Amino acid sequence: GEDVEQSLFLSVREGDSSVINCTYTDSSSTYLYWYKQEPGAGLQLLTYIFSNMDMKQDQRLTVLLNKKDKHLSLRIADTQTGDSAIYFCAEREDSSYKLIFGSGTRLLVRP
Amino acid sequence: GAVVSQHPSWVICKSGTSVKIECRSLDFQATTMFWYRQFPKQSLMLMATSNEGSKATYEQGVEKDKFLINHASLTLSTLTVTSAHPEDSSFYICSIMGLGAGTDEQYFGPGTRLTVT
Repeated sequence: GEDVEQSLFLSVREGDSSVINCTYTDSSSTYLYWYKQEPGAGLQLLTYIFSNMDMKQDQRLTVLLNKKDKHLSLRIADTQTGDSAIYFCAEREDSSYKLIFGSGTRLLVRP
Repeated sequence: GAVVSQHPSWVICKSGTSVKIECRSLDFQATTMFWYRQFPKQSLMLMATSNEGSKATYEQGVEKDKFLINHASLTLSTLTVTSAHPEDSSFYICSIMGLGAGTDEQYFGPGTRLTVT
């Protein structure tokens, strides 16, 4: 079955860049997403990328997709303390709208 | 993006009772709604998918008689946890999807924390 994996924890200093990595198994996924979850809250869609793209940039966020290696990354430039949260990557099954989530990466931004 | 609300945001109930959680789309016609559960420090697991006016499709391992889903309108879906037990304590999150403006993104509600004592 499909599987999405992420590293569990990342700590960076305020102002540095953060890179959160994700690997997935379903090569037929057409959309790949990054969501942010703050404590006790639901998920906020940050960005998504189509599988036929290699890169997408949106302000401080850069998504890189290596389809050959089934590797997705999210880079946050000039990381701020407000970026501290859990970040989930998710792939969407090609045949449905079902999302398969990774385990989440907890990002801690140190002042 | 669409605005999704859930009610209640937090509920505590006694073992054996039933609890209803509402998911509302405030500004969007939600043709499809999803229900997820999230255990502490874990990822979201899809429980079921419901389309307006039809029966929900449950994921493998999710008891449909225990988790009753009703998607009666394009703006409201409810999840009823029947005969709740402590192991049902979790964070329940809904998401909605509809076809409009060329988007098929899912928009998530803020979640409902259920504690069963």
